[in-house]
Amino acid sequence: NAGVTQTPKFRILKIGQSMTLQCTQDMNHNYMYWYRQDPGMGLKLIYYSVGAGITDKGEVPNGYNVSRSTTEDFPLRLELAAPSQTSVYFCASSLGGLAGGTYEQYFGPGTRLTVT
Amino acid sequence: EDQVTQSPEALRLQEGESSSLNCSYTVSGLRGLFWYRQDPGKGPEFLFTLYSAGEEKEKERLKATLTKKESFLHITAPKPEDSATYLCAVHDPSGGSNYKLTFGKGTLLTVNP
Repeated sequence: NAGVTQTPKFRILKIGQSMTLQCTQDMNHNYMYWYRQDPGMGLKLIYYSVGAGITDKGEVPNGYNVSRSTTEDFPLRLELAAPSQTSVYFCASSLGGLAGGTYEQYFGPGTRLTVT
Repeated sequence: EDQVTQSPEALRLQEGESSSLNCSYTVSGLRGLFWYRQDPGKGPEFLFTLYSAGEEKEKERLKATLTKKESFLHITAPKPEDSATYLCAVHDPSGGSNYKLTFGKGTLLTVNP
């Protein structure tokens, strides 16, 4: 199993550009999450999905969009990139949600994004 | 608002020198407290989940404990490979979101040989 994979590893965007961060998991997990991690700050939840076709906002969703057309893939779209979106982005997945028993989240290696 | 505070921010130990990391939290309805390890340039790796005061879990040189207001991650006889940032997160669904973890900023542990 590859686990959770993310592409690209690094990206530099100009202000106003758009891009999609890719996330794929091969563990047949129902739940998937996108976090951002800023220097000196805790991880913040951007969006999450409880299954194919179902997504919802997390703590910091502004400026981002997601879709979940398959169990495996959960891409994160940045429209009109801004310097405030400079961060490291992590995708994670879990078999169950936090209310269930299979909640441990497996994280991908991250995408380091710089917007200038 | 839920708060998770980890201390110290950074800790430097000699190999074999045992110590503890602290995670204190202020939440109204704790469902679970999670510990993760994060190596530089990598995603967090799950270590433990604790549910109730008095609970303890162990893995190799690490032992996590939980009280009503804080959790400790005890590291016994650490080795250089234990060097990493240790993250604490709490799950409190009483705020309306059943899927939100609130993360602390982490403790950067360095173990010198």
